[in-house]
Amino acid sequence: DIVLTQAPLSVSVTPGESASISCRSSKSLLSSKGITSLYWYLQKPGKSPQLLIYRMSNLASGVPDRFSGSGSETDFTLKISKVETEDVGVYYCAQFLEYPFTFGSGTKLEIK
Amino acid sequence: EVQLVESGGGLVQPGRSLKLSCLASGFTFSNYGMNWIRQAPGKGLEWVASISSSSSYIYYADTVKGRFTISRDNAKNTLYLQMTSLRSEDTALYYCARGGTDYWGQGVMVTVSS
Repeated sequence: DIVLTQAPLSVSVTPGESASISCRSSKSLLSSKGITSLYWYLQKPGKSPQLLIYRMSNLASGVPDRFSGSGSETDFTLKISKVETEDVGVYYCAQFLEYPFTFGSGTKLEIK
Repeated sequence: EVQLVESGGGLVQPGRSLKLSCLASGFTFSNYGMNWIRQAPGKGLEWVASISSSSSYIYYADTVKGRFTISRDNAKNTLYLQMTSLRSEDTALYYCARGGTDYWGQGVMVTVSS
């Protein structure tokens, strides 16, 4: 199974500052079709997860452009610029390259 | 507006069965693969099962293979998860999610306890 390792476990950010979350995969997530199947989600307290980024760097519909995704075949970063209080929650990465699909263990973002 | 509404959860004894449903609306259900993803209390997300749009392809996590069955009725716009031989470790909030996981339901709680 593909293992996704997220870091840090938690991050505390002052509103207006930036935050970065790392996700490292145990295997390349680049498919033969040239698509990198790494996704990012935010789960706000008491809510269902919401898709932020798909295929490593594509912004999901309705997601503010303060969110951006980047990376290589195995190392990925979610960057949140100008953090707002509404960004609080747990961030997960996930891979949909192959079954079983797997998720990272999550990174909790708090506001200072 | 895309909506996914899960139902069928509850408290069940170990070894018993339960069937979850996910009613979809706001999109052409028969065009999309669907997923079940669960979250144990206070824990992270775990993929459970996926089914293709025409039910031709079905996949399960090893933790549920042989005990859970994913299915769908495209005429009823409904996704199902039949769960048998339930264990305490199956206790979780179960979400259905549209193919690319761009839309998720609100989740339905399953508690396995005697």
